[in-house]
Parts: sequence; structure tokens; C-alpha cells
Amino acid sequence: NAGVTQTPKFQVLKTGQSMTLQCAQDMNHNSMYWYRQDPGMGLRLIYYSASEGTTDKGEVPNGYNVSRLNKREFSLRLESAAPSQTSVYFCASSEAAGWTDTQYFGPGTRLTVL
Amino acid sequence: AQSVTQLGSHVSVSEGALVLLRCNYSSSVPPYLFWYVQYPNQGLQLLLKYTSAATLVKGINGFEAEFKKSETSFHLTKPSAHMSDAAEYFCAVIPRSFNKFYFGSGTKLNVKP
Repeated sequence: NAGVTQTPKFQVLKTGQSMTLQCAQDMNHNSMYWYRQDPGMGLRLIYYSASEGTTDKGEVPNGYNVSRLNKREFSLRLESAAPSQTSVYFCASSEAAGWTDTQYFGPGTRLTVL
Repeated sequence: AQSVTQLGSHVSVSEGALVLLRCNYSSSVPPYLFWYVQYPNQGLQLLLKYTSAATLVKGINGFEAEFKKSETSFHLTKPSAHMSDAAEYFCAVIPRSFNKFYFGSGTKLNVKP
């Protein structure tokens, strides 16, 4: 039981390049989330998927797109990376769509945009 | 607008000493409240949460937090610090009026031998 896994662990991009961050969970959870963590700012929600087939914007969605590929997988895409997107990205999942349900986090992806 | 304030970006205690990490929220209606811990190079892990049951909430690893409405606070405590408690701790709230997490900026706890 691996929980929430994220790939890659580290990535360096040049401005304008695109990439997709992958996230998968093996807990049969319905809801999945993408956050970014910047120094001194805590976590901010980018997008979430309350259930398979649905996605919604969070607090900072600009510059990102998401795909809920199936119940297990939720990917985050940067179409044209910018230095402001340098951050640590965390994927999380929860059993139900209720926000008070415990969220389980992956280990994160450290992204640097030059 | 909702906000979460964690007083002290860095807290240092000796092993065996009391741990007190402070969290205050701004809301006229008490929100749902959470404490998460993040160990180096890992994701966040839920320590405990308050969802309007008992005001004293016990969590994992010997941590507990008390919801005080009059002080709009949800401070995290542990009677005796252990070296393994060294990590960053985040307070978070979800307003009852809508579904969204607001995280504090975090407090890094250092435990000295």
C-alpha cells in the first residue's frame, strides 16, 4: 500500500516549457487535490476533483490544467511554465468529498522554472 | 476574508520540555480547524482536527489542541518534546460557510538535546 505517489520528485524547466506532474493513489479515494507550497505561505489549493469525472478550480488555478484520468490518477499540467511557478507541488486524496475528511498527501514534486 | 495566523515561524525547545505552537483564526463563526505536520522532504500528515465536538482534541504522537472560541485560538501542545517531533507544523481552517482550506504559514519546531 503506497498511499499517494507523485512523479517526478524533482524537475527543472526553462520558461515556456510544458510538463505534466503525475499523481496516483491506491486507497480507493474519491477526491483528489493539487496544492503548491511556497516559503512562508503555507499550502494553496490549485485544483481539486471531488469525484471521478469532475474537476474544480481552487485558490490559484491560473497557468495550470488538470485531468482526472480515472479514480486513481489526477495529473497537473503546466502548459507554458513561468518562474512564478517555481514551487513544491503536493497531491492529496481523501475518501469522500467532504472537506473535513482527512487528506493524505504525497511526498511532493520540487519544480524550478528558470 | 478568512485568515490563519501562526505566531513564530521558528520555535526551539529542549527535549522533554513543553511544546506550544500557536494558531489564531479570524472568523466570527468558528471554522473547522486542523493541525498538520510536515517532516523534511515529506508531504503533510494530519495530527488532529476540530469539527465542533469536544473542544480539547487529542491527536497522534501525544499532541493535543484546545479550541477556545473567546480567544479565536487553536494552539497545539505536547507535554514533553521528543527529538522526533522536529518538523514543520501547519494550522489550517475551513470556514463553515464554504469549502476551502486556508493554511497558516507554518512553524518550524526545533528540538534540542
